[in-house]
Amino acid sequence: SQQGEEDPQALSIQEGENATMNCSYKTSINNLQWYRQNSGRGLVHLILIRSNEREKHSGRLRVTLDTSKKSSSLLITASRAADTASYFCATDARNYGQNFVFGPGTRLSVLP
Amino acid sequence: GAVVSQHPSRVICKSGTSVKIECRSLDFQATTMFWYRQFPKKSLMLMATSNEGSKATYEQGVEKDKFLINHASLTLSTLTVTSAHPEDSSFYICSAAPGTVHSNQPQHFGDGTRLSIL
Repeated sequence: SQQGEEDPQALSIQEGENATMNCSYKTSINNLQWYRQNSGRGLVHLILIRSNEREKHSGRLRVTLDTSKKSSSLLITASRAADTASYFCATDARNYGQNFVFGPGTRLSVLP
Repeated sequence: GAVVSQHPSRVICKSGTSVKIECRSLDFQATTMFWYRQFPKKSLMLMATSNEGSKATYEQGVEKDKFLINHASLTLSTLTVTSAHPEDSSFYICSAAPGTVHSNQPQHFGDGTRLSIL
């Protein structure tokens, strides 16, 4: 499996429900980032969590990081139809990384 | 916030045509910009790292003569797909970050260019 691999690949929920997406990676990292992509658009940065952090919040978003398991999760609470998008985790796979390795993404559909 | 503008957003052209895509950082300087390729419902694949004033660094398997990158200023990088063929049809996205790039900061992405080669 590749660095930064999300599961599930697709998730469909009702508006108001919580959505949880997971990301696993293989190598040591300095930080892990989550991005969102609306169909046919560029990526928008959501949250960056450093390797020495375990949890981070931003509005309805909650990200956790477990470096012992090399995994991260993104929780979106009280989802809205506007949250429908693809969500990617990205890890800096190189020392002083100047770029990131993106996972395959989770396609989230929030049904009204 | 930092804004990256990518142009054009869509290109449809005949096989054999060369296509230039521009990536501009509008309100910050970027010594490094990145070019990605994305297939439908797939993740981003890094093609190359564009370095201002020097040669781009290409990822393994990416033909440098096919995908020409020029980063002539701190706010502009261009990707030229030379003699494009249908297999080059894809979604191309650029990203950049202010200042000297290091891993502890988010990337700012352009809105992508959908290239369709007939």
